[in-house]
Amino acid sequence: DAKTTQPPSMDCAEGRAANLPCNHSTISGNEYVYWYRQIHSQGPQYIIHGLKNNETNEMASLIITEDRKSSTLILPHATLRDTAVYYCIVIRGNYQLIWGAGTKLIIKP
Amino acid sequence: KAGVTQTPRYLIKTRGQQVTLSCSPISGHRSVSWYQQTPGQGLQFLFEYFSETQRNKGNFPGRFSGRQFSNSRSEMNVSTLELGDSALYLCASRLSGVKETQYFGPGTRLLVL
Repeated sequence: DAKTTQPPSMDCAEGRAANLPCNHSTISGNEYVYWYRQIHSQGPQYIIHGLKNNETNEMASLIITEDRKSSTLILPHATLRDTAVYYCIVIRGNYQLIWGAGTKLIIKP
Repeated sequence: KAGVTQTPRYLIKTRGQQVTLSCSPISGHRSVSWYQQTPGQGLQFLFEYFSETQRNKGNFPGRFSGRQFSNSRSEMNVSTLELGDSALYLCASRLSGVKETQYFGPGTRLLVL
């Protein structure tokens, strides 16, 4: 199963772009990369997902490298409410989510 | 559209007891998955139900079971509770196709004493 590696924690200043990296070097060709976040033990919140191309929605942008071995989630203008644990996940063959430890993102005023 | 709802939100049980948790998916969603989240093990997949049938199963003992009703609501049961079963139990729903995005409920926090 493809696994993901993320830094355990990151800081970002409020109003700045938060760039969260994820390594998934063993990803297979048909496996999607998903990003969720979890705020203080609430249920995880879906952010964005992608396969090959870069994706953007109202919450964030997802940049996937051409070799698909890594990706970056970008929160363009971070606010204090974006403080959370961010999970980068690869969908396995039965399409269940395999969760890593995530990145604890702290937005500082 | 209402999100995924889970009841109860908090629960305290003692070792040896059994517990049933409930999940109501987003309207129109036919797949329900259950996850266990603990500080030590992180988020782990328990099982998925679709059209009242278990479609996928994680690596948990048989004390953990589930079912899904015709209205797509799902229940999860844990028998003979152990201290290590203390966790946040999360339910996620999606439309039907396995490639659909999963949306999570707020979770049920279970404490086993």
